[in-house]
Amino acid sequence: GESVGLHLPTLSVQEGDNSIINCAYSNSASDYFIWYKQESGKGPQFIIDIRSNMDKRQGQRVTVLLNKTVKHLSLQIAATQPGDSAVYFCAEEPSGTYKYIFGTGTRLKVLA
Amino acid sequence: EPEVTQTPSHQVTQMGQEVILRCVPISNHLYFYWYRQILGQKVEFLVSFYNNEISEKSEIFDDQFSVERPDGSNFTLKIRSTKLEDSAMYFCASSVDRDGYTFGSGTRLTVV
Repeated sequence: GESVGLHLPTLSVQEGDNSIINCAYSNSASDYFIWYKQESGKGPQFIIDIRSNMDKRQGQRVTVLLNKTVKHLSLQIAATQPGDSAVYFCAEEPSGTYKYIFGTGTRLKVLA
Repeated sequence: EPEVTQTPSHQVTQMGQEVILRCVPISNHLYFYWYRQILGQKVEFLVSFYNNEISEKSEIFDDQFSVERPDGSNFTLKIRSTKLEDSAMYFCASSVDRDGYTFGSGTRLTVV
């Protein structure tokens, strides 16, 4: 298991409830933001993205909110399911670069 | 759904040895990336590659690292002389237009 490294914040939610995962990003020059889900032993899986000219974007059961004033990003998951259990990372792409900067991650645990 | 394929899934190597990590990006993608994740830590950018050249690289990507796209389908990461601190999961990713790239499942590199 992951016994070394950063201690991940953990969000525990009841199955069927809504989840909100928050992220503070670092670079005011970032203009593209992404949420990824990572299950144990797998690579990051794209969930949803948003550009800096928007403040909200919706997908299937997921919504991303962007507050550029306070450099804050959130991911809302509606009707959370057991399959949503994973580590969720936000990532930002600074304008003019070819890289993503990933956040620390939040572990989501869905309780049956 | 198209996938980014990485081989091997796990590589054990002696310190000082050279390793080559292999990736087959999604076929119509044009941008290619390597990231790494030390156990329990953030995903970190290594290098991006477009039009047969490096677009951007991080401080981690020093002279011991190199990337190559030897043919139309493979994208490789070479570490010339591995160190213990190179032990990590290495993820390849690709994208059509830099947005929301797709990651592979990773290669776990263990340097002993």
